[in-house]
Amino acid sequence: DAGVIQSPRHEVTEMGQEVTLRCKPISGHDYLFWYRQTMMRGLELLIYFNNNVPIDDSGMPEDRFSAKMPNASFSTLKIQPSEPRDSAVYFCASNFRAQTNTGELFFGEGSRLTVL
Amino acid sequence: SQQGEEDPQALSIQEGENATMNCSYKTSINNLQWYRQNSGRGLVHLILIRSNEREKHSGRLRVTLDTSKKSSSLLITASRAADTASYFCAPMNSGYSTLTFGKGTMLLVSP
Repeated sequence: DAGVIQSPRHEVTEMGQEVTLRCKPISGHDYLFWYRQTMMRGLELLIYFNNNVPIDDSGMPEDRFSAKMPNASFSTLKIQPSEPRDSAVYFCASNFRAQTNTGELFFGEGSRLTVL
Repeated sequence: SQQGEEDPQALSIQEGENATMNCSYKTSINNLQWYRQNSGRGLVHLILIRSNEREKHSGRLRVTLDTSKKSSSLLITASRAADTASYFCAPMNSGYSTLTFGKGTMLLVSP
């Protein structure tokens, strides 16, 4: 398997622009997580899905952030409008829930966002 | 979910030396996982130790768990420059839950 695939790897945009980050989880995984990493706050869980349904979005910082999972193989994280403080590395991770599942997460390589 | 606290925040050693990182957590767990993050990359799962285990080995990695002290340690033996990375612990509560990460230990291994 190719692993969790994220795009774009790098995005530079100007304040006020819309940003869309994309994630393809590992085939067969039914949980998908979006994390954000900054030097100041470390790695924060933003939202996670189970079987394409958002389960907990309490980590989403503001209404400017939204996430969707239209099918089992694709998710987006959208920021509109973007602000400089949104600059961070955004990670997508996936795993599957099974009887013996340990909760191990498989991470993508991240999308580094810079908002000028 | 609960967050683990890694200690020290940064560790600098020479190649061939051993590196020890510690993790503390607050409430009972089902298992505890360690992850590595190389610069500019995503986190990679290293090893998992269950709450009924006290020690586990994987190659040059040795993990211990003391549930009475709510702490774990990760030992990397005979470190290499390629071990330079940030290391995170992630305690998992009983029952399925999300993983929450601390700020990690940044390990620098110099040749």
